[in-house]
Amino acid sequence: QVQLQESGPGLVKPSETLSLTCTVSGGPFTPFSWSWFRQPPGKGLQWIGYLSYSGSIDYNPSLKSRVTISVDTSKNQLFLRLSSVSAADTAVYYCARGAIFTLIRGNAFDIWGQGTMVTVSS
Amino acid sequence: EIVLTQSPGTLSLSPGERATLSCRASQSVSTYLAWYQQKPGQAPSLLIYDASNRATGIPARFSGSGSGTDFTLTISSLEPEDFAIYYCQHCSNWPPMCSFGQGTKLEIK
Repeated sequence: QVQLQESGPGLVKPSETLSLTCTVSGGPFTPFSWSWFRQPPGKGLQWIGYLSYSGSIDYNPSLKSRVTISVDTSKNQLFLRLSSVSAADTAVYYCARGAIFTLIRGNAFDIWGQGTMVTVSS
Repeated sequence: EIVLTQSPGTLSLSPGERATLSCRASQSVSTYLAWYQQKPGQAPSLLIYDASNRATGIPARFSGSGSGTDFTLTISSLEPEDFAIYYCQHCSNWPPMCSFGQGTKLEIK
Protein backbone atom coordinates (compact mmCIF):
# COMPACT_ATOMS: atom_id res chain seq x y z
CA GLN A 1 0.00 0.00 0.00
CA VAL A 2 1.02 3.61 -0.42
CA GLN A 3 3.28 4.93 2.31
CA LEU A 4 4.71 8.37 2.97
CA GLN A 5 7.89 8.96 4.96
CA GLU A 6 9.11 12.36 6.10
CA SER A 7 12.81 12.82 6.73
CA GLY A 8 15.17 15.61 7.68
CA PRO A 9 17.06 17.16 10.59
CA GLY A 10 15.30 17.02 13.92
CA LEU A 11 17.06 20.15 15.17
CA VAL A 12 17.45 23.44 13.33
CA LYS A 13 19.04 26.63 14.63
CA PRO A 14 17.09 29.89 14.74
CA SER A 15 17.34 31.96 11.53
CA GLU A 16 18.43 28.91 9.52
CA THR A 17 16.46 26.97 6.89
CA LEU A 18 14.43 23.87 7.67
CA SER A 19 14.55 21.28 4.87
CA LEU A 20 12.39 18.17 4.79
CA THR A 21 11.80 15.37 2.29
CA CYS A 22 8.66 13.27 1.85
CA THR A 23 9.25 9.99 0.04
CA VAL A 24 6.29 8.19 -1.48
CA SER A 25 6.47 4.42 -1.83
CA GLY A 26 4.11 1.62 -2.82
CA GLY A 27 2.18 3.69 -5.32
CA PRO A 28 2.35 6.37 -7.98
CA PHE A 29 3.32 9.96 -7.29
CA THR A 30 1.37 11.35 -10.21
CA PRO A 31 -1.38 12.32 -10.87
CA PHE A 32 -2.05 13.04 -7.21
CA SER A 33 -1.91 16.28 -5.25
CA TRP A 34 0.24 16.59 -2.13
CA SER A 35 0.42 18.83 0.90
CA TRP A 36 2.59 19.70 3.86
CA PHE A 37 1.13 20.31 7.31
CA ARG A 38 2.51 20.92 10.75
CA GLN A 39 1.38 20.60 14.35
CA PRO A 40 3.11 22.42 17.21
CA PRO A 41 3.31 20.40 20.42
CA GLY A 42 -0.11 20.20 22.07
CA LYS A 43 -1.76 22.33 19.39
CA GLY A 44 -3.89 21.91 16.29
CA LEU A 45 -3.09 21.28 12.64
CA GLN A 46 -1.80 23.97 10.30
CA TRP A 47 -1.67 23.72 6.52
CA ILE A 48 1.64 24.82 4.97
CA GLY A 49 1.25 24.33 1.23
CA TYR A 50 -0.28 22.32 -1.60
CA LEU A 51 1.15 20.89 -4.83
CA SER A 52 -1.69 20.11 -7.22
CA TYR A 53 -1.69 17.34 -9.80
CA SER A 54 -1.28 20.05 -12.45
CA GLY A 55 1.94 21.33 -10.87
CA SER A 56 0.52 24.51 -9.38
CA ILE A 57 1.58 25.33 -5.83
CA ASP A 58 -0.33 27.27 -3.18
CA TYR A 59 1.04 28.38 0.16
CA ASN A 60 -0.43 29.41 3.48
CA PRO A 61 -0.41 33.23 3.30
CA SER A 62 1.03 33.41 6.81
CA LEU A 63 4.09 31.41 5.72
CA LYS A 64 4.29 32.28 2.03
CA SER A 65 7.31 34.56 2.27
CA ARG A 66 9.38 31.79 3.87
CA VAL A 67 8.13 28.56 2.28
CA THR A 68 9.13 26.68 -0.85
CA ILE A 69 7.61 23.37 -1.95
CA SER A 70 9.23 21.43 -4.76
CA VAL A 71 9.12 17.95 -6.22
CA ASP A 72 11.23 15.31 -7.93
CA THR A 73 8.73 13.01 -9.63
CA SER A 74 11.51 10.70 -10.85
CA LYS A 75 12.27 9.88 -7.22
CA ASN A 76 8.69 10.13 -5.91
CA GLN A 77 9.78 12.85 -3.52
CA LEU A 78 8.23 16.07 -2.23
CA PHE A 79 10.35 18.72 -0.55
CA LEU A 80 9.71 21.49 1.97
CA ARG A 81 11.99 24.40 2.72
CA LEU A 82 11.15 26.91 5.43
CA SER A 83 13.58 29.77 5.85
CA SER A 84 14.39 32.08 8.77
CA VAL A 85 12.96 29.69 11.32
CA SER A 86 12.21 30.58 14.92
CA ALA A 87 10.97 28.71 17.96
CA ALA A 88 7.42 29.21 16.65
CA ASP A 89 8.27 26.78 13.83
CA THR A 90 8.89 23.93 16.27
CA ALA A 91 6.36 21.27 15.31
CA VAL A 92 5.68 17.83 13.92
CA TYR A 93 5.72 18.16 10.15
CA TYR A 94 3.53 15.91 7.99
CA CYS A 95 3.16 15.29 4.29
CA ALA A 96 -0.12 13.92 2.96
CA ARG A 97 -1.77 12.85 -0.29
CA GLY A 98 -4.82 14.56 -1.72
CA ALA A 99 -7.77 12.21 -2.02
CA ILE A 100 -9.63 14.06 -4.74
CA PHE A 101 -8.56 15.14 -8.24
CA THR A 102 -8.97 18.87 -7.83
CA LEU A 103 -6.70 21.89 -8.07
CA ILE A 104 -7.31 22.58 -4.38
CA ARG A 105 -10.95 23.32 -3.65
CA GLY A 106 -12.71 20.59 -1.73
CA ASN A 107 -9.72 18.33 -1.31
CA ALA A 108 -9.20 16.05 1.65
CA PHE A 109 -6.10 14.05 2.55
CA ASP A 110 -6.34 10.29 2.72
CA ILE A 111 -2.78 9.12 3.30
CA TRP A 112 -0.39 10.75 5.77
CA GLY A 113 3.19 10.19 6.74
CA GLN A 114 3.97 9.41 10.37
CA GLY A 115 5.37 12.91 10.81
CA THR A 116 8.77 14.18 11.80
CA MET A 117 9.45 16.37 14.83
CA VAL A 118 11.52 19.47 14.14
CA THR A 119 12.80 21.55 17.01
CA VAL A 120 14.16 25.04 16.46
CA SER A 121 16.75 25.81 19.09
CA SER A 122 20.30 27.04 19.38
CA GLU B 1 -10.26 33.31 4.58
CA ILE B 2 -12.73 30.70 5.80
CA VAL B 3 -12.63 30.03 9.54
CA LEU B 4 -13.86 26.71 10.91
CA THR B 5 -15.16 26.64 14.48
CA GLN B 6 -15.71 23.32 16.23
CA SER B 7 -17.87 22.66 19.25
CA PRO B 8 -17.71 21.54 21.91
CA GLY B 9 -14.04 21.82 22.76
CA THR B 10 -14.25 18.69 24.88
CA LEU B 11 -16.94 16.02 24.90
CA SER B 12 -17.10 13.52 27.76
CA LEU B 13 -19.06 10.36 26.97
CA SER B 14 -19.10 6.67 27.80
CA PRO B 15 -18.58 3.71 25.46
CA GLY B 16 -21.85 2.81 23.75
CA GLU B 17 -23.14 6.38 23.79
CA ARG B 18 -23.79 8.53 20.73
CA ALA B 19 -21.39 11.38 19.98
CA THR B 20 -22.33 14.49 18.04
CA LEU B 21 -19.55 16.89 17.02
CA SER B 22 -20.14 20.18 15.24
CA CYS B 23 -18.17 22.29 12.79
CA ARG B 24 -19.32 25.71 11.64
CA ALA B 25 -17.78 27.58 8.69
CA SER B 26 -17.58 31.38 8.58
CA GLN B 27 -19.05 31.28 5.08
CA SER B 28 -20.56 28.62 2.85
CA VAL B 29 -18.23 25.78 1.86
CA SER B 30 -20.95 23.83 -0.01
CA THR B 31 -20.24 20.21 0.97
CA TYR B 32 -16.47 20.57 0.76
CA LEU B 33 -15.74 19.52 4.31
CA ALA B 34 -13.69 16.66 5.72
CA TRP B 35 -13.34 15.11 9.17
CA TYR B 36 -10.23 13.53 10.68
CA GLN B 37 -9.47 11.52 13.80
CA GLN B 38 -6.14 11.93 15.56
CA LYS B 39 -4.86 9.75 18.37
CA PRO B 40 -1.88 10.70 20.57
CA GLY B 41 1.43 10.34 18.77
CA GLN B 42 -0.23 9.51 15.47
CA ALA B 43 -0.94 11.34 12.22
CA PRO B 44 -4.51 12.39 11.46
CA SER B 45 -6.68 9.80 9.74
CA LEU B 46 -9.35 10.73 7.20
CA LEU B 47 -12.85 9.70 8.28
CA ILE B 48 -15.25 11.65 6.07
CA TYR B 49 -14.87 13.70 2.88
CA ASP B 50 -17.36 15.80 0.95
CA ALA B 51 -19.31 16.20 4.20
CA SER B 52 -20.90 12.75 4.18
CA ASN B 53 -18.71 10.22 2.36
CA ARG B 54 -16.88 7.73 4.51
CA ALA B 55 -13.26 7.15 3.58
CA THR B 56 -12.06 3.67 2.74
CA GLY B 57 -12.21 1.30 5.69
CA ILE B 58 -14.08 3.64 8.04
CA PRO B 59 -16.73 1.86 10.10
CA ALA B 60 -20.40 2.62 9.48
CA ARG B 61 -20.82 4.01 13.01
CA PHE B 62 -19.13 7.17 11.71
CA SER B 63 -21.37 9.45 9.66
CA GLY B 64 -21.18 13.03 8.46
CA SER B 65 -23.88 15.46 7.48
CA GLY B 66 -24.44 19.11 6.62
CA SER B 67 -23.89 21.65 3.89
CA GLY B 68 -23.25 25.35 3.61
CA THR B 69 -21.96 26.46 7.00
CA ASP B 70 -23.09 23.80 9.49
CA PHE B 71 -21.73 20.27 9.66
CA THR B 72 -21.98 17.35 12.05
CA LEU B 73 -19.90 14.25 12.67
CA THR B 74 -21.88 11.54 14.44
CA ILE B 75 -20.50 8.40 16.03
CA SER B 76 -23.54 6.23 16.62
CA SER B 77 -22.18 4.02 19.40
CA LEU B 78 -18.78 4.81 20.83
CA GLU B 79 -16.11 2.14 20.89
CA PRO B 80 -13.10 2.45 23.23
CA GLU B 81 -10.82 3.20 20.27
CA ASP B 82 -12.94 6.21 19.24
CA PHE B 83 -11.72 8.43 22.08
CA ALA B 84 -9.42 10.86 20.31
CA ILE B 85 -9.31 14.38 18.88
CA TYR B 86 -11.44 15.17 15.84
CA TYR B 87 -10.77 17.92 13.33
CA CYS B 88 -12.83 19.33 10.50
CA GLN B 89 -11.04 20.67 7.41
CA HIS B 90 -11.79 22.61 4.25
CA CYS B 91 -9.77 23.62 1.20
CA SER B 92 -10.97 26.69 -0.71
CA ASN B 93 -10.01 28.07 -4.09
CA TRP B 94 -10.15 31.74 -3.14
CA PRO B 95 -7.95 32.39 -1.44
CA PRO B 96 -6.37 29.06 -2.31
CA MET B 97 -5.76 27.50 1.06
CA CYS B 98 -6.73 24.75 3.43
CA SER B 99 -7.82 25.25 7.01
CA PHE B 100 -8.74 23.19 10.05
CA GLY B 101 -11.04 23.66 12.97
CA GLN B 102 -9.39 23.85 16.37
CA GLY B 103 -10.46 20.30 17.23
CA THR B 104 -12.87 18.53 19.57
CA LYS B 105 -11.42 16.21 22.19
CA LEU B 106 -13.63 13.19 22.77
CA GLU B 107 -12.78 11.76 26.17
CA ILE B 108 -14.02 8.86 28.25
CA LYS B 109 -16.46 9.88 30.96
